Amino acid sequence: EDQVTQSPEALRLQEGESSSLNCSYTVSGLRGLFWYRQDPGKGPEFLFTLYSAGEEKEKERLKATLTKKESFLHITAPKPEDSATYLCAVGTGYSTLTFGKGTMLLVSP
Amino acid sequence: KAGVTQTPRYLIKTRGQQVTLSCSPISGHRSVSWYQQTPGQGLQFLFEYFSETQRNKGNFPGRFSGRQFSNSRSEMNVSTLELGDSALYLCASSLPDSNEQFFGPGTRLTVL
Repeated sequence: EDQVTQSPEALRLQEGESSSLNCSYTVSGLRGLFWYRQDPGKGPEFLFTLYSAGEEKEKERLKATLTKKESFLHITAPKPEDSATYLCAVGTGYSTLTFGKGTMLLVSP
Repeated sequence: KAGVTQTPRYLIKTRGQQVTLSCSPISGHRSVSWYQQTPGQGLQFLFEYFSETQRNKGNFPGRFSGRQFSNSRSEMNVSTLELGDSALYLCASSLPDSNEQFFGPGTRLTVL
């Protein structure tokens, strides 16, 4: 059974304090590793797609990396507006994503 | 380019009723997937449609059904509503055979 586990469940940072979120997965046939950001009451917002081990993607203060068993979302010098729930998902089958339960990030000024 | 739109945004129903939710994908996207999001279970896959055909289905009871029209718009229906069906229902669209999905704002369903 395809599984995605995210840690920590919640993370509180001070503005400027860098950290990393973890996403570990077991899947029979990986069709991409996806990161989304979700604000309260809204739909997930697409951030990154990673397809192969060693691949990295960057966007502003966020950098996603992928190994054969896990992915990391590194947040460098976060700002309060980075506060959100970050979701990791693996692609399996036709247009099908299996999601982790997310990491709720709170960045305090 | 307009994003994925979902209507209605909020719904309140009572147990035993049925409900229909609508989703319009991004122009050019022919695949539409539906997800249920609850605080306890997170985001769970319901089903996916492409060219008016259901290609994949998650582990939900038969009370949950969907369809897709020739213009790629999709609807999902939940019959005989239960309290546990209260959730945020999310629709996502993608290009064919791409897992890069773009989500709508969701429909918040409350069952009383």
